Amino acid sequence: SQQGEEDPQALSIQEGENATMNCSYKTSINNLQWYRQNSGRGLVHLILIRSNEREKHSGRLRVTLDTSKKSSSLLITASRAADTASYFCATEVYRDDKIIFGKGTRLHILP
Amino acid sequence: DAGVIQSPRHEVTEMGQEVTLRCKPISGHDYLFWYRQTMMRGLELLIYFNNNVPIDDSGMPEDRFSAKMPNASFSTLKIQPSEPRDSAVYFCASSLEGEYEQYFGPGTRLTVT
Repeated sequence: SQQGEEDPQALSIQEGENATMNCSYKTSINNLQWYRQNSGRGLVHLILIRSNEREKHSGRLRVTLDTSKKSSSLLITASRAADTASYFCATEVYRDDKIIFGKGTRLHILP
Repeated sequence: DAGVIQSPRHEVTEMGQEVTLRCKPISGHDYLFWYRQTMMRGLELLIYFNNNVPIDDSGMPEDRFSAKMPNASFSTLKIQPSEPRDSAVYFCASSLEGEYEQYFGPGTRLTVT
């Protein structure tokens, strides 16, 4: 079953602009993670935000979490060509060991 | 560490044949996960192990799929017999007890003709 749903499904922006991706989920979670997948590669963990946190930063990444709305956003500032990839949110459901991935947002950075 | 290792990277087989995918997790990791990724269904969790014991196989599509983890450094996912609808990229991932981050292998692209 799909727990996380990313929005938009695809996003194209100019290099240097900021990219924002959103994730909505359905049930209570322990934490939410964001992963990146470059074409033809495995997923790479970017950042984790716990259910009791509202905002987290890592380099050019900023993640917010609103548990009342069951949603999260990933902001990538000052985008670069190397940021072209698919981005997935993954939720760890309360009292479960596994995480469930959304279908991802395909981000394309235009030169 | 070399990271999660999967083999083969590409597999092309004919319908009805047996397919075995292999995974070596990161040394010391307690959890191992098998995922399948397709355009239509996205990334699906098939099965996961904790300390070599299968914990949840509810994502295994049917009896044609089986997975084993005979020791902490090796796992297999077997499809017998294979069907064209099994064509997908299969990922293995591992993680440490108490840590939520999963480390993914490069995947095996399976094509069943």
